[in-house]
Amino acid sequence: AQSVSQHNHHVILSEAASLELGCNYSYGGTVNLFWYVQYPGQHLQLLLKYFSGDPLVKGIKGFEAEFIKSKFSFNLRKPSVQWSDTAEYFCAVMPYTGGFKTIFGAGTRLFVKA
Amino acid sequence: EAGVTQSPTHLIKTRGQQATLRCSPISGHTSVYWYQQALGLGLQFLLWYDEGEERNRGNFPPRFSGRQFPNYSSELNVNALELEDSALYLCASSQGKRRETQYFGPGTRLLVL
Repeated sequence: AQSVSQHNHHVILSEAASLELGCNYSYGGTVNLFWYVQYPGQHLQLLLKYFSGDPLVKGIKGFEAEFIKSKFSFNLRKPSVQWSDTAEYFCAVMPYTGGFKTIFGAGTRLFVKA
Repeated sequence: EAGVTQSPTHLIKTRGQQATLRCSPISGHTSVYWYQQALGLGLQFLLWYDEGEERNRGNFPPRFSGRQFPNYSSELNVNALELEDSALYLCASSQGKRRETQYFGPGTRLLVL
């Protein structure tokens, strides 16, 4: 069965630290890839997406993600986190087959200490 | 531009009852998706409607059903509620069937007692 794995359930960082959140998926075909963010008290928002082209994707608020096809990975990065980045982050994969069903990871809760 | 709206924001039901949740997509969007987000779990895909038809379904029992209306709004019905149906139900919409970003609503929190 197709699945999305996010390596960390919780991450705690100090402000200005670098961030990398892992995401791996199990599907051999072509996929669309997404990172969504859910700030406290707010609904899910799109952070960035990859459909095709340059595997290094830049999103909002200084986030970027790199698609490594050979590793089935789409890790999220930010060079220097801020307190306002405290949120839950979800990786999502949309395979091109199977009715374009989007599969979400379990999420990673990021806490940034001021 | 108005985003995806959902109603009600909260719903409390007892076991065995039925729940109806509603979703209005962003104007111009024809696809509506429903997800269940149970405590401690990620989003689980429930249903996808496009142009009034059910296009795909997740691994949920038949008591989870829904429909999409001609104005592209959608309803999710959960029959014979069970305690484990307590969750946040999220609706998302997109412009079409393929390669489109989904935009999420605020969700309906369902509590089954």
